[in-house]
Amino acid sequence: DTEVTQTPKHLVMGMTNKKSLKCEQHMGHRAMYWYKQKAKKPPELMFVYSYEKLSINESVPSRFSPECPNSSLLNLHLHALQPEDSALYLCASSQESGVSSYEQYFGPGTRLTVT
Amino acid sequence: DAKTTQPNSMESNEEEPVHLPCNHSTISGTDYIHWYRQLPSQGPEYVIHGLTSNVNNRMASLAIAEDRKSSTLILHRATLRDAAVYYCILRRGGTSYGKLTFGQGTILTVHP
Repeated sequence: DTEVTQTPKHLVMGMTNKKSLKCEQHMGHRAMYWYKQKAKKPPELMFVYSYEKLSINESVPSRFSPECPNSSLLNLHLHALQPEDSALYLCASSQESGVSSYEQYFGPGTRLTVT
Repeated sequence: DAKTTQPNSMESNEEEPVHLPCNHSTISGTDYIHWYRQLPSQGPEYVIHGLTSNVNNRMASLAIAEDRKSSTLILHRATLRDAAVYYCILRRGGTSYGKLTFGQGTILTVHP
């Protein structure tokens, strides 16, 4: 099974709401990633978790709060977002994070709209 | 991370081979060359990767220049399903924690 699942597929939220995105993989991977992709742009890395510890935060605003409760799950908690945060949020995983030959497996993404 | 340069777009006909070029003149000795593609309304999908030697898998072939300053992704017989954005990415291990830095990629259009 090489699948990364993400829920929900679509999310519409107001600027005062709190919501969470969920990502799951059962490949035994120890690295998990969040990317953000605006329309017609390439994905941009937000966070990297390695062995359930946050190892990279690409200067992401604090209104985005990642969490890795166990090696199979990755959450992204959202609070007080702005309309410009509307984007496709992609989750990925790989066997390890620091080995440059390992490929990343991506989920289908959550399409987020902030109103 | 070292930068890659790809053409903005390319076109192909169905069942013909496609050669997608990538320049990476500042590549370092430990950088792996990865290719991903993103079909419309989907997450990126791993295609192939290599270090120095040419590589083949069920999806594609990767030809790497002897000086490693360029590479070419080869789709042997394009299908309509291969229409996607193709990203050439240099991946450095160690302290970069496996960052994938996506460039603009090449939009491949496949004509029936």
